[in-house]
Amino acid sequence: AQSVTQPDIHITVSEGASLELRCNYSYGATPYLFWYVQSPGQGLQLLLKYFSGDTLVQGIKGFEAEFKRSQSSFNLRKPSVHWSDAAEYFCAGGGTFGNEKLTFGTGTRLTIIP
Amino acid sequence: EPEVTQTPSHQVTQMGQEVILRCVPISNHLYFYWYRQILGQKVEFLVSFYNNEISEKSEIFDDQFSVERPDGSNFTLKIRSTKLEDSAMYFCASVGGGGQPQHFGDGTRLSIL
Repeated sequence: AQSVTQPDIHITVSEGASLELRCNYSYGATPYLFWYVQSPGQGLQLLLKYFSGDTLVQGIKGFEAEFKRSQSSFNLRKPSVHWSDAAEYFCAGGGTFGNEKLTFGTGTRLTIIP
Repeated sequence: EPEVTQTPSHQVTQMGQEVILRCVPISNHLYFYWYRQILGQKVEFLVSFYNNEISEKSEIFDDQFSVERPDGSNFTLKIRSTKLEDSAMYFCASVGGGGQPQHFGDGTRLSIL
């Protein structure tokens, strides 16, 4: 069965520090992969997507993610976090044709400390 | 930038009542979805809709649920007889075609009393 795993439930980092949020997927073939961010009480905003090609993808708000087929991973990174990055981050897989349902991970809650 | 809009933002309903959640997808999009997120849990797929019919549904989407695209702009989710466990945030999403990311609305928080 298709699955997306986010091993870290909660991460706390200092403002200005680097960030890496982990995501692993299990699909029969390489799926489309996405990172979404959700601020409290808000909807899901797309940060970035991977469909094919370059394994390092750039997104909005200074985020990037690296697709590693050998590790079935799609980790999200940011070199220097800002207090406004505090939110819930969801990794999602979207099948192999791009219009299938999304399977979400359980999310990682990011807390930023001064 | 075009947005997916959902109404209402918060719906409070008595158990056993019918509720209709409304969504206006992005105008040229072809695929439509409903997801739900129970408080503190992950986002779960409910149903996908294409070419005026359901293309896939999850085990959550039982006979109490239905979807409809009554005109060229709206996409609705109906829960016929609500239960306490239907309390959740419901998200609508749409996508233009294969290889495009899904765009989500801000959600409707459904509270069943």
